[in-house]
Amino acid sequence: GAVVSQHPSRVICKSGTSVKIECRSLDFQATTMFWYRQFPKKSLMLMATSNEGSKATYEQGVEKDKFLINHASLTLSTLTVTSAHPEDSSFYICSASRESGNTIYFGEGSWLTVV
Amino acid sequence: AQSVAQPEDQVNVAEGNPLTVKCTYSVSGNPYLFWYVQYPNRGLQFLLKYITGDNLVKGSYGFEAEFNKSQTSFHLKKPSALVSDSALYFCAVRDFFPFSGGYNKLIFGAGTRLAVHP
Repeated sequence: GAVVSQHPSRVICKSGTSVKIECRSLDFQATTMFWYRQFPKKSLMLMATSNEGSKATYEQGVEKDKFLINHASLTLSTLTVTSAHPEDSSFYICSASRESGNTIYFGEGSWLTVV
Repeated sequence: AQSVAQPEDQVNVAEGNPLTVKCTYSVSGNPYLFWYVQYPNRGLQFLLKYITGDNLVKGSYGFEAEFNKSQTSFHLKKPSALVSDSALYFCAVRDFFPFSGGYNKLIFGAGTRLAVHP
């Protein structure tokens, strides 16, 4: 079964509003989670590394004020897209791994549509 | 910097025939390599990984991959393709920072779309 859960799987929001996407590790603790963005028929682009109890580390070119990441517990990271615009519409995927493991598990992804 | 390349945008194969999806890598140090599959509108599913040990790695759904250090390749293979194998396949390498206590950031290839025809 799934070990990383994302919610919601699909969300539609109005331009200018904010939307939150959750990523949960279901049966293990993850001090680090990752957020990716995927455009249609394209590869995954790493947006940021979510660190439990500290600030997220953003990749070059990703606006940290627009894509807010909070990793408040060892099993939950949230991505908030603030003041969303249509160009933010995309598929967002998170990943996590067990501390002692080498396998990285992905969530099912969240489709964001900004209208 | 770590990177992987998937030279083929799409691979077409007839059902029952063997399939190969290519991946080459460029890393400093020992590579940690992964293959994932993505079905339409879904997240990524783990297929297999190479960390160390045998060069031939067996994974889920009958897939396997061969790590070739001299050719810096990690091609995904399956002896007999199924129509249900049609999906998007990603090769990835781990960008690992041991001093961060385990840091499983993945760098993905562009992806290869596999189409298996009946």
